[in-house]
Amino acid sequence: DIQMTQSPSSLSASIGDRVTITCRASQSISSYLIWYQQKPGKAPKLLIYAASSLQSGVPSRFSGSGSGTDFTLTISSLQPEDFATYYCQQSYSTPRTFGQGTKVEIK
Amino acid sequence: QVQLQESGPGLVKPSETLSLTCTVSGYSISSGYYWGWIRQPPGKGLEWIGTIYHSGNTNYNPSLKSRLTISVDTSKNQFSLKLSSVTAADTAVYYCARDSTTGIDPWGQGTLVTVSS
Repeated sequence: DIQMTQSPSSLSASIGDRVTITCRASQSISSYLIWYQQKPGKAPKLLIYAASSLQSGVPSRFSGSGSGTDFTLTISSLQPEDFATYYCQQSYSTPRTFGQGTKVEIK
Repeated sequence: QVQLQESGPGLVKPSETLSLTCTVSGYSISSGYYWGWIRQPPGKGLEWIGTIYHSGNTNYNPSLKSRLTISVDTSKNQFSLKLSSVTAADTAVYYCARDSTTGIDPWGQGTLVTVSS
């Protein structure tokens, strides 16, 4: 199985801050990297696919980058509705695997 | 608009079989895509369980494979999950979803299954 490691596990930030979350794969996954946002009691929401493609309807303050083993999710200016847990997932092979999540909290 | 809805018992006894069904609306399963299950224990992260294609081709998580069966009923536009010999470690919110290389989307709302006597 491909292991996905996210960092940090949690972070505190203020409205308007630039936030960066990283995800590392245990082997090359090309650009088969997905980012999700999950709020309490809700199903995850797909934000970015193919490492850097923004899902329809997702605000442009979200962006993704990377290829191979190292990837980044950036929120350019944190908004109140962005406080949530973020997960990366590889879609290169099965079993699909997720990072452990990064909880973004209000400072 | 594609929508998925999980259904099944919310409480299962240890050693018994957990059974869930996902009903898909707004899209015919026979048209393509893999359809699958993901679970999330309370307060923890996401675990991919497995997927099925309309032809019946399956992909299972090796960690669950010995206890897992995913099946599809294209006539009802449904797919199902059976997990046998459950323990408390199988307590989780179970989501059904459409799975592709461009991501898992959309998701059902999720259903909490508790394993307890």
